[in-house]
Amino acid sequence: GAVVSQHPSRVICKSGTSVKIECRSLDFQATTMFWYRQFPKKSLMLMATSNEGSKATYEQGVEKDKFLINHASLTLSTLTVTSAHPEDSSFYICSASSTAPVTDTQYFGPGTRLTVL
Amino acid sequence: AQSVAQPEDQVNVAEGNPLTVKCTYSVSGNPYLFWYVQYPNRGLQFLLKYITGDNLVKGSYGFEAEFNKSQTSFHLKKPSALVSDSALYFCAVRPLSGSARQLTFGSGTQLTVLP
Repeated sequence: GAVVSQHPSRVICKSGTSVKIECRSLDFQATTMFWYRQFPKKSLMLMATSNEGSKATYEQGVEKDKFLINHASLTLSTLTVTSAHPEDSSFYICSASSTAPVTDTQYFGPGTRLTVL
Repeated sequence: AQSVAQPEDQVNVAEGNPLTVKCTYSVSGNPYLFWYVQYPNRGLQFLLKYITGDNLVKGSYGFEAEFNKSQTSFHLKKPSALVSDSALYFCAVRPLSGSARQLTFGSGTQLTVLP
């Protein structure tokens, strides 16, 4: 149980375009989903927290107009990187949290490698 | 502010030998501690967690971790390492009374198990 998927796993896009990344909880309802960014050989940096049906909470320094987050259902959250630039290239990881099967543990997706040319 | 320290960027161990990956933490109140493992180009996999109770927590793939309140440590251990255990390991902490959003990760420790 507690499987989280991400799509796509890898995306290459041109500078100025927008990219959407999907995060799905496959076998549980995720009341909260989190979006992280990970730089090479670095720890995870929390970007934002989203609760189903409400606006996302962004961490300090994260541009909410650039990283649009939608959590439309209890199993799906999306991150859209708008007008992407090379500095947005990174590994983006989502996680989902629920009261079941293990209370409040974050379960992570496999990540999405974004490369902006 | 809470924090997690993983003092070793890299740990090398021979296959079959015991392994330890160190973690110390700082948090207000009682801690809620986690270990995650990350394989190349993959997300994090949950290994184990400590909330309350026995200080020795057993998790996936034969891993265990020992909570030591006086030393504010939560070291990850395995009695006999496998080559397939080679990966990046993250320790994480949040206040037990806080929210999941407050989860703070350590910088990670690259474990290499040598055949």
